[in-house]
Amino acid sequence: GQQVMQIPQYQHVQEGEDFTTYCNSSTTLSNIQWYKQRPGGHPVFLIQLVKSGEVKKQKRLTFQFGEAKKNSSLHITATQTTDVGTYFCAGPYGSSNTGKLIFGQGTTLQVKP
Amino acid sequence: DGGITQSPKYLFRKEGQNVTLSCEQNLNHDAMYWYRQDPGQGLRLIYYSQIVNDFQKGDIAEGYSVSREKKESFPLTVTSAQKNPTAFYLCASSGGNVGRGEQFFGPGTRLTVL
Repeated sequence: GQQVMQIPQYQHVQEGEDFTTYCNSSTTLSNIQWYKQRPGGHPVFLIQLVKSGEVKKQKRLTFQFGEAKKNSSLHITATQTTDVGTYFCAGPYGSSNTGKLIFGQGTTLQVKP
Repeated sequence: DGGITQSPKYLFRKEGQNVTLSCEQNLNHDAMYWYRQDPGQGLRLIYYSQIVNDFQKGDIAEGYSVSREKKESFPLTVTSAQKNPTAFYLCASSGGNVGRGEQFFGPGTRLTVL
């Protein structure tokens, strides 16, 4: 069945270091979404990428959507303690327009001050 | 303030009891979803509803039931048939261009079976 995989599962960095998480889908996606879940909190939408090869930036966060629309990445420059949390990618489930998303397992980021 | 509310935040139940988790949204969204999250894992879809009086099973619907009698409300019942119900339950909604739009999540309910 359709799968979305994320690596790494966990990442510990020193404050100020960069961080990247990778998302790979078994199928071509019409779009990819990224969410952040703080410890003890709920997922919060960060961004949606739609176009092949698209790159979007939000301050220190850079999001990329692969040319084949099967992979994506999130890169954080100069991490801060406020970046701590779990980052999920998600893509539409199948080809139907149901609104269903399939989520990756997430990458949990720990930042040491 | 527009948003999604879930209650209660923490819920304890004894084995063999059914329990209903509340989810209410005032975002005027048509679609609503229930997810289960286990420690260190992603979100798994239990049920979803695209419109009032209609809902579909997700990947892990066994042992759960839902209703969608009002647009604003999508309660989830965890039945005694669910073999491992202890988990974090998240409700979400989406509106507008269904299939491409973001999902808004409630604060979640942490269910513990004693």
